[in-house]
Amino acid sequence: DAKTTQPPSMDCAEGRAANLPCNHSTISGNEYVYWYRQIHSQGPQYIIHGLKNNETNEMASLIITEDRKSSTLILPHATLRDTAVYYCIVRSFGGTSYGKLTFGQGTILTVHP
Amino acid sequence: GAGVSQSPSNKVTEKGKDVELRCDPISGHTALYWYRQSLGQGLEFLIYFQGNSAPDKSGLPSDRFSAERTGGSVSTLTIQRTQQEDSAVYLCASSLRGGSNQPQHFGDGTRLSIL
Repeated sequence: DAKTTQPPSMDCAEGRAANLPCNHSTISGNEYVYWYRQIHSQGPQYIIHGLKNNETNEMASLIITEDRKSSTLILPHATLRDTAVYYCIVRSFGGTSYGKLTFGQGTILTVHP
Repeated sequence: GAGVSQSPSNKVTEKGKDVELRCDPISGHTALYWYRQSLGQGLEFLIYFQGNSAPDKSGLPSDRFSAERTGGSVSTLTIQRTQQEDSAVYLCASSLRGGSNQPQHFGDGTRLSIL
């Protein structure tokens, strides 16, 4: 699986958009970008995923650059409950991978009043 | 609908004892994954089930660890002769089917403490 690089921490003001970057410069053509978050004492929560097109759902938007070497997760109006560790994961399928998730250290997002 | 359910939520046991951790996946999900999250190690993959078979056991750290899945549903992770380094949160995830871009959905884990 391609390696991802994320900033260790970020801050965001409540009500503002939170933009979390991720670098995945070695991503292969058939690998997806997934985002999960983990709030203290809970299991990781799926947010969104994409291959090459931008994606949006009720939680967030995912912007993937045209060369697919980086992406940005956007939380449009951050709330205090969005404070969590956010993981950007490149997920591959086929062969012996079977789609397992490889978690890095993630970005600790702190939303403050 | 119900999410992934894990039990117990917390388990404290003495070194050398065996423990069993249970995972109830989301109904209809054929793929099931076990992960472990420990301080300083992050979240690491243990084993993957598709139906009742486990095509990927590559993450199991030693032969003290085993897992089974019956009826294509409930899975049990067993740790024999527990050691202190086994202390961690054990997480289970399920998805509609493996080897696809279906997202995995996680339970809240079992926090295992070995005294």
